Amino acid sequence: QSVLTQPPSASHTPGQRVTISCSGSSSNIGRNVVNWYQQLPGTAPTLLIYKNDQRPSGVPDRFSGSKSGTSASLAISGLQSEDEADYFCAAWDDSLDGYLFGIGTKVTVL
Amino acid sequence: EVQLVESGGAVVQPGGSLRLSCAASGFSFSSYEMNWVRQAPGKGLEWVSYISSSRRTIHYADSVKGRFTISRDHVKNSLYLHMDSLRVEDTAIYYCVREMQSSSPVMDVWGKGTSVTVSS
Repeated sequence: QSVLTQPPSASHTPGQRVTISCSGSSSNIGRNVVNWYQQLPGTAPTLLIYKNDQRPSGVPDRFSGSKSGTSASLAISGLQSEDEADYFCAAWDDSLDGYLFGIGTKVTVL
Repeated sequence: EVQLVESGGAVVQPGGSLRLSCAASGFSFSSYEMNWVRQAPGKGLEWVSYISSSRRTIHYADSVKGRFTISRDHVKNSLYLHMDSLRVEDTAIYYCVREMQSSSPVMDVWGKGTSVTVSS
């Protein structure tokens, strides 16, 4: 497996709840923590959720993460226009001895 | 303030070489593991390489193994990526990324990136 599986896009109206899935295997998500990154247009990625469900300081609590088995998900509650960005999941893969990323989910706020 | 500033990106011909640098500040660089991650134009993120704080452990993605070399200088607080035999598919923005001091793998701080274009 060379990438984690994410939906390529998600479109929602302001205020809605958005859930982004991330599917992997026993060598990555099944054994290691999942981290999520937000990439605003034209900027570098920033850490959004780490160790499955932890928020770095400064990240609003409308962002939350969870993991079960070989899958993880990112939820955005009360979607805002400034949340329009690409979201990537990532996990270390013990078979590859490296990080795997999801393909990224582009969230559009209608 | 924790900062990572990449430099060295350029336009280079296929088969050429390039060395990227990443200047770290605002934290004890020698104590942190580091990574390089790249992003091709309009594409997703691809992890490239990892180096431990002691330099004893190094990993590469299969796509760059044998062509790229990661290294670090604790006097200059800098991370490097030497790239040989460059291919068109190596065209990307290259990010220097710090590893969180944690028992679990987490990349926490990213630089703004430096652009590498491989084209004839």
